[in-house]
Amino acid sequence: DAMVIQNPRYQVTQFGKPVTLSCSQTLNHNVMYWYQQKSSQAPKLLFHYYDKDFNNEADTPDNFQSRRPNTSFCFLDIRSPGLGDAAMYLCATSREGGRGNTQYFGPGTRLTVL
Amino acid sequence: AQSVAQPEDQVNVAEGNPLTVKCTYSVSGNPYLFWYVQYPNRGLQFLLKYITGDNLVKGSYGFEAEFNKSQTSFHLKKPSALVSDSALYFCAVGSGSARQLTFGSGTQLTVLP
Repeated sequence: DAMVIQNPRYQVTQFGKPVTLSCSQTLNHNVMYWYQQKSSQAPKLLFHYYDKDFNNEADTPDNFQSRRPNTSFCFLDIRSPGLGDAAMYLCATSREGGRGNTQYFGPGTRLTVL
Repeated sequence: AQSVAQPEDQVNVAEGNPLTVKCTYSVSGNPYLFWYVQYPNRGLQFLLKYITGDNLVKGSYGFEAEFNKSQTSFHLKKPSALVSDSALYFCAVGSGSARQLTFGSGTQLTVLP
């Protein structure tokens, strides 16, 4: 089945230690997104890629970076995690090319910062 | 600017009874409206969306939603609730291609056996 995969599902890191979260998709969608979700709150969009075009949200901290080496993969890098970065990180994909394109989400990676 | 309001943090309903989860929105231009469900420690699962056409949209697992332009609402409904429907429900609005969705704060639905 076509899907959005996130690895790892649970990640523990230390305060200030860089961490990378991974997302891959078999849907062949041209848009990939990263969201941050804290404590069952609304997901907050961090940035997205439309093909290779990177789109950063205005309020996304510089501590968060992303890479998309090819259509299938997208990475979220947190350069110096703080305690406030502990959250669920959600990857999503969509196919651009019409109106109201549906975003499909992966299972998420829960990040703990010690 | 676009926004979504889910006025109820928590909805409780007895199994077998109809359920409604409320959503109102504000957006410039034509709204594209979505409902997602989230189970504990899982990602968001797409239920249904409204783009245009029939105001009553049918989705997965027996859910449906009614688009009401005059009331700027998009309430989620199900005729007969199941215990397994207990989860966190998010309404979202977008415009254009909907690459930038705005999510509501979520409604925790509990279906009591």
